[in-house]
Amino acid sequence: KAGVTQTPRYLIKTRGQQVTLSCSPISGHRSVSWYQQTPGQGLQFLFEYFSETQRNKGNFPGRFSGRQFSNSRSEMNVSTLELGDSALYLCASSLADIQETQYFGPGTRLLVL
Amino acid sequence: GEDVEQSLFLSVREGDSSVINCTYTDSSSTYLYWYKQEPGAGLQLLTYIFSNMDMKQDQRLTVLLNKKDKHLSLRIADTQTGDSAIYFCAESINGNNDMRFGAGTRLTVKP
Repeated sequence: KAGVTQTPRYLIKTRGQQVTLSCSPISGHRSVSWYQQTPGQGLQFLFEYFSETQRNKGNFPGRFSGRQFSNSRSEMNVSTLELGDSALYLCASSLADIQETQYFGPGTRLLVL
Repeated sequence: GEDVEQSLFLSVREGDSSVINCTYTDSSSTYLYWYKQEPGAGLQLLTYIFSNMDMKQDQRLTVLLNKKDKHLSLRIADTQTGDSAIYFCAESINGNNDMRFGAGTRLTVKP
């Protein structure tokens, strides 16, 4: 069974631009969560989607948004990029249940110049 | 406190046992996890323990849970150079699928 895939793997943007990252969960998994990893703040939860609905949300500004499609694939969008948005963005999928074990993708490394 | 706490560094010799410790925050966490991250890679789920267990063993890995002290540890037996990585402890919070992670412990295994 294929793992969680994320595209693109690397991305360079400039301040003020917007970016869209994509995540395809493990087949059969219906929950997708997004995390931001930075050296200073570590791993922080962004949001979780289940059945095309945002189920949980972390403490990030409204510039960070996401969505989930009927095939469980998810995208996250960051608008008006800031230098501090440079990070590794990780996506994790799980079957469905609350507190189900999550499996992570390789991440998208975003650099904002 | 609000943070999941881990020591930042651990260095061991190949063949020795490694013990990575973690203190978590939410006494209602149902699952507690250990993830491994190698350079440039995502997180690999190593093992997890359900909160009603005290210990879980999986090949070279042993997880100990002390709920009273909110203390979690990961023991790696016969540590190999390939075990060199950053190890994250995580707890599920508020009964949801979002997790709170520690800062990670960088394990260095010397030959």
